Order: sequence, then structure tokens, then C-alpha cells
Amino acid sequence: QSVLTQPPSVSAAPGQKVTISCSGSSSNIGNNYVSWYQQLPGTAPKLLIYDNNKRPSGIPDRFSGSKSGTSATLGITGLQTGDEADYYCGTWDSSLSVNVVFGGGTKLTVL
Amino acid sequence: QVQLQESGPGLVKPSETLSLTCAVSGYSISSGYYWGWIRQPPGKGLEWIGSIYHSGSTYYNPSLKSRVTISVDTSKNQFSLKLSSVTAADTAVYYCARQDYYGSGSYSYYMDVWGKGTTVTVSS
Repeated sequence: QSVLTQPPSVSAAPGQKVTISCSGSSSNIGNNYVSWYQQLPGTAPKLLIYDNNKRPSGIPDRFSGSKSGTSATLGITGLQTGDEADYYCGTWDSSLSVNVVFGGGTKLTVL
Repeated sequence: QVQLQESGPGLVKPSETLSLTCAVSGYSISSGYYWGWIRQPPGKGLEWIGSIYHSGSTYYNPSLKSRVTISVDTSKNQFSLKLSSVTAADTAVYYCARQDYYGSGSYSYYMDVWGKGTTVTVSS
């Protein structure tokens, strides 16, 4: 059971927009910054978003991130078939135990 | 361009120690960042194992802390993972990654460069 909660799957048609939620608590998302990763089939994860809403160089602006309270959201516009992947949120957890935590992952299907 | 490459045995026997190395190119470990490991069991999500700074300070996942050691060799620009007393539950793809960690009060921690991963199976 993951510390951060994500929907197991989402789907949308090419060209449409989709959002993926990530829910946590005050010890993690509520007081720290969130990152998002894309894992294409059979490959290593790739950083999409850091510090809630910043994109690394080379990540298109179709990908966006936001945070409100103890939840974060990844948005993807102009969906492409190449966006089909697993998406993970992650953050620092400031509870008694030092830790980095991830969500369970969301499988995006582009119909 | 920063690149990371994992290496090590693909098969480890139960109760033995898993040992992996991550070679870094295109960036000097001594220049900064944290360097660490994440694993992904078959068909499952990501689990952070731990990380090390070039000075040697470490952070470990509390659930693995008693079995994990991460070390760094700045002369070879590489870092290593040792996981002792392995069981079948430790079977996973192991990724090394460059990790950024900063903040005061509110912290940012993310992995910006990943290796391709190496599969480790625990079986007799």
C-alpha cells in the first residue's frame, strides 16, 4: 500500500486533456514539493515535473503540475499515443521516519 | 550529458548480499547532488531505497535500513548498493538515479537523471 494515493488508471482520446491526481497528507504533499515521473513501457522513469509545477528542460508544456493542500495533480493536454505510460508522483515525507515516498502509479491509456 | 549505468549480478541466492554499482559519466559526483537507488518489483510501483551525498552522508528507507548500505567512490565516480539477507521479495528492477534534495521547512526531493535499470532475481 503506497503512502500517496493515485487512481490505478485513466483514459482519454488523442488530442484531449487528462488529469492524474495524487493524494497524501500534511507530512508529505501538504508541506513538501511534489515531483512527477513518466515510465514508458519497458523503460526507466523520466522526470516530468519537479517542485510542484516546474518542467525540466526538454519537457513540453503539454505537461503541467499543480498542488493544493495535501493533493497534487498532473495535467496532460493534446494527448498523443506516445503518452501511453505509467505516471508516478513522489515527494519527501517529513514524518518521524526520513523517507521519500511515491504513489502507486497511474496507467494512462490513449484510446 | 549525464549518464548512469548500473552493473552487478542478475541472480542472487536467498540470504546472500545483493551488490550493485552505478557508474556516472558526464558529471563529477564530487560536484554535488545526492546519488541513490530506487527499485521496482515486477508489475509493481517504485520504492525508494536510499541515497548518499559525496561527503558520505546517507538517507535510507526505514523499512530497509537494517539491510542497506550505500557507499560512494569519488575516485572512480561511482556509487554502490549492498542489500543483505535478501529474499524473493527483493526481486526487482534496480535503478540508480541522481537525486536533488533541498529546502528549509518544506523540502524538495526528486530524481532528475536515471539509469536504465538492472534486473535482480533472488532465487536458489
